[in-house]
Amino acid sequence: AQSVTQPDIHITVSEGASLELRCNYSYGATPYLFWYVQSPGQGLQLLLKYFSGDTLVQGIKGFEAEFKRSQSSFNLRKPSVHWSDAAEYFCAVDPTGTASKLTFGTGTRLQVTL
Amino acid sequence: NAGVTQTPKFQVLKTGQSMTLQCAQDMNHNSMYWYRQDPGMGLRLIYYSASEGTTDKGEVPNGYNVSRLNKREFSLRLESAAPSQTSVYFCASSIRQNTEAFFGQGTRLTVV
Repeated sequence: AQSVTQPDIHITVSEGASLELRCNYSYGATPYLFWYVQSPGQGLQLLLKYFSGDTLVQGIKGFEAEFKRSQSSFNLRKPSVHWSDAAEYFCAVDPTGTASKLTFGTGTRLQVTL
Repeated sequence: NAGVTQTPKFQVLKTGQSMTLQCAQDMNHNSMYWYRQDPGMGLRLIYYSASEGTTDKGEVPNGYNVSRLNKREFSLRLESAAPSQTSVYFCASSIRQNTEAFFGQGTRLTVV
């Protein structure tokens, strides 16, 4: 079955430390890939997306993600985390290029300690 | 630019009551979506509208109906609310079906 997996439910990092959030997907072909962030009580904001081309994509707020076809992964990274990055992060996959088929992972909650 | 606006932000219903969640976007997007978010389950698609005049079921459509009133507005109706419909509901829109979705701030619905 097609699926999106975020294996880490909850991650805690210290402010200034680096961050990597994992996302793996299971689809037959390379899908469209997204990372969204949700701050408490807010809607989802798009951080970055991968449609094709360069496998390292830059997003807003200093985030980047790398698509690795061989590992079916699209991990999100940030070199130095700020306290304001505390939020829930969702990986999403669109296998057909039609957003009606957007499938979300279950999310990773990031806590940042000072 | 307001983006995607949802009303109301909070609602408490009694089992069996009906209500309509409203969504409007001002970005001239063609496609609109309704998702529900439950703890540990991510977001799941309830219904979507690829373009004005069309609607289709998503992953979890049972107990819901939708109306694409015009290009801007896409409403979600619960005819007879059940406790299992307690959730946070998000409306989203995209220019067309193969571009990223923009989300509203959500409606927190509790059915008692």
